[in-house]
Amino acid sequence: EADIYQTPRYLVIGTGKKITLECSQTMGHDKMYWYQQDPGMELHLIHYSYGVNSTEKGDLSSESTVSRIRTEHFPLTLESARPSHTSQYLCASTGGPEAFFGQGTRLTVV
Amino acid sequence: QKEVEQNSGPLSVPEGAIASLNCTYSDRGSQSFFWYRQYSGKSPELIMFIYSNGDKEDGRFTAQLNKASQYVSLLIRDSQPSDSATYLCAVGPPYSGAGSYQLTFGKGTKLSVIP
Repeated sequence: EADIYQTPRYLVIGTGKKITLECSQTMGHDKMYWYQQDPGMELHLIHYSYGVNSTEKGDLSSESTVSRIRTEHFPLTLESARPSHTSQYLCASTGGPEAFFGQGTRLTVV
Repeated sequence: QKEVEQNSGPLSVPEGAIASLNCTYSDRGSQSFFWYRQYSGKSPELIMFIYSNGDKEDGRFTAQLNKASQYVSLLIRDSQPSDSATYLCAVGPPYSGAGSYQLTFGKGTKLSVIP
């Protein structure tokens, strides 16, 4: 079983607030990813990291930012949340060919 | 542009039947192939992976890979209502450890198993 954790699981927040979605893994994986997924829709890669101090933007343009100061930690930040940011955010990591996902954060911006 | 194509469904099968899910991919250099199951509102869960041509069986699940045809499939035998979910096909490049690595996901096939 993969040990990758996301908090919070659910978040309802007002427009304009700054939020940070947490993602941690205890497997020592170098590669970590953030995906965005609307209900019933496909996964979209928004950020990824191949190691400490390495971050890149993914295929889908996102107003969020990420950091990778420690191997196990890959937080995602929205400086000013908007209703268009309402979605599910999924964190994943790989230590080999397969990727493992966290439980996800369901974000609602009102 | 790497692409992974899946029939979006829904695919409906009666309980106890075999469900067959298909996936094609565009990148001939792909080396690793995965099937994830995603229940509504949940995160994807890895259920099968296959790296070599042929069949790989794990319980009620069988993954089939044909690299020449760029085709991968998942068979679910004795389908149960609990198998009702969206199944995502994912394809990866050769994995070398260090450096870049990204899976390309299909849009998923929604499976409904009817009691």
